[in-house]
Parts: sequence; structure tokens; C-alpha cells
Amino acid sequence: KAGVTQTPRYLIKTRGQQVTLSCSPISGHRSVSWYQQTPGQGLQFLFEYFSETQRNKGNFPGRFSGRQFSNSRSEMNVSTLELGDSALYLCASSTAQAGDTEAFFGQGTRLTVV
Amino acid sequence: DQQVKQNSPSLSVQEGRISILNCDYTNSMFDYFLWYKKYPAEGPTFLISISSIKDKNEDGRFTVFLNKSAKHLSLHIVPSQPGDSAVYFCAASEIQGAQKLVFGQGTRLTINP
Repeated sequence: KAGVTQTPRYLIKTRGQQVTLSCSPISGHRSVSWYQQTPGQGLQFLFEYFSETQRNKGNFPGRFSGRQFSNSRSEMNVSTLELGDSALYLCASSTAQAGDTEAFFGQGTRLTVV
Repeated sequence: DQQVKQNSPSLSVQEGRISILNCDYTNSMFDYFLWYKKYPAEGPTFLISISSIKDKNEDGRFTVFLNKSAKHLSLHIVPSQPGDSAVYFCAASEIQGAQKLVFGQGTRLTINP
């Protein structure tokens, strides 16, 4: 069974630009969550999508947005990039079924803002 | 306000011995706890989880203990192997299904031959 796939693996963008990251969850998983990892703040929750709807949201500015498609694939968009947005962006998928407490992560997209 | 804390940034253990990684939390609404292992430039790998209705869960060499009254959990690895060297994160969630995870800062475990 294929794991969580994130594309691209690496990205370099200029301040002020926007970027779109993609995540394909494990087959059958309907929940996709996004996380940001930085050396200073660690792993922080951005948002979670389930059945094409945002169900949970972390404490990030509105420049960070996402969406989920009918096949559960998800995209995350960051507009007006700032230097501080440089981070490893991770997505995780889960079944979101009662009693299932496992979430599986992709390898991440390393975003560098210059 | 850090809701999940791993107070030991690093831990060094001899191969074959027990590794014990600790995690404390402050939010009494957390119901699910997970441990992940992470190598540099890779996503976290799920190891083991426990729900708040249990105090122990075991999977092979990995055992997680939960003490709800102390708001403390620990991961035991027995016996430790060189391949266990990585950064370990504990995570917690209020939501069934492990969404919206709150992570600790991680503990770097080094297994010495």
C-alpha cells in the first residue's frame, strides 16, 4: 500500500511570491492534516481537511490556506511569502474513524524563501 | 504555552539496554497520545499510540505507559538497537482519529554500540 506522497520535495521561492504544495493521502484515508516544522517552533498544526471541508484550524495567519479534492488529495497554499515561512511542511493522513488513533506522515516539502 | 513537553533534548543509551523517553502534558482534554520517530529530512514515522482509557500499550520492542493523574507518558524501547537512533516526538490530540496533533519538541536518542 502506497504511503503519503508530498510534492514537490524541495522548493525555493522569493519573498512575496505564493506557493502551492500537494499531498496525496494513503488510499482510503479521508482526513488530511498539514503541519509546519521549524527549528524554533517545532511541529505545529496548520489545518485539517475531511471530505473536502476544513474541520480544524491552527493558529496561522490567513496567508496559509488549503483545500481538499473529492479524491482526498489536498493542496496547501501560502501567499505573500515571508522569510519566516521557510520550513519543512508535512502532511499526515488518517482514516478519522472512531478508535483509529494512527496518523501517517509524508516525507515533507522543504520550502526555502529567499 | 507549550501543552506537550519533552524535557530531555537528548538521550544516550547503550545497545541492548532499555531506552526510556518521557513526555509531559498540561491539557487535560487530550485523549490520544502518539509517539513518532523522525530522521532528518523525512516525515515522522508512527510508532505506537495509546488512548486515555488505557495505561499501557505494547507493540514488539515498544511500550507506551500513560499516567493520567500525573499527565505523563513514557516510551520504553527494549532492547535498544543502533537503528533506533533518531529524534522521537510525542504528540497528543483531543480528537479521536489523531487529527490536530500537538507535538513536543522532540528527544534525540543515540544508541551506542
